[in-house]
Amino acid sequence: DAMVIQNPRYQVTQFGKPVTLSCSQTLNHNVMYWYQQKSSQAPKLLFHYYDKDFNNEADTPDNFQSRRPNTSFCFLDIRSPGLGDAAMYLCATSRLVGANSPLHFGNGTRLTVT
Amino acid sequence: GQNIDQPTEMTATEGAIVQINCTYQTSGFNGLFWYQQHAGEAPTFLSYNVLDGLEEKGRFSSFLSRSKGYSYLLLKELQMKDSASYLCAVRVYNQGGKLIFGQGTELSVKP
Repeated sequence: DAMVIQNPRYQVTQFGKPVTLSCSQTLNHNVMYWYQQKSSQAPKLLFHYYDKDFNNEADTPDNFQSRRPNTSFCFLDIRSPGLGDAAMYLCATSRLVGANSPLHFGNGTRLTVT
Repeated sequence: GQNIDQPTEMTATEGAIVQINCTYQTSGFNGLFWYQQHAGEAPTFLSYNVLDGLEEKGRFSSFLSRSKGYSYLLLKELQMKDSASYLCAVRVYNQGGKLIFGQGTELSVKP
């Protein structure tokens, strides 16, 4: 089945130690998104790619970076994780940006910072 | 600015009908989406509305009134597995198709 896959499902990192989360998709969608979701809160968009064009949200900290080497893969790099960065990180894809093109989410990576 | 409001929690009985409301204030509205999210899992797409009116999908229906900035999700014949968080999200124009999410409504279905 076509899908969005995130690895790993659970990630533990130390305070200040760089960590990379990965996302792959077999849907061949143009747009890929990274959301951060803290407990009992709404998912918050960090950035997105439309094809190779990177779009950062204004309030996304510089600590968060992303790479999209090809259509299928997208990475989230956290350069120096702090305790406040512990959250579920959700990757999503969308075929287009129009109203009738829903986002398809991966299972998420739950990040713990010790 | 963008603002999306939903009740924090609701409780309903198995077999009953429940309506989860969502109000929004956004500029450049381009569709409203409903997602279901079980604890510790990713959101799964339920339905979307771009025009006013009711969209029905099996046990789930969603309604939109753009003039009122209002939507609801209707769940019929509730089952225990429907216990989850229900997220209302708005898509806006010219922002890469991103969805802006409400905080979610935690629905508990009781026997």
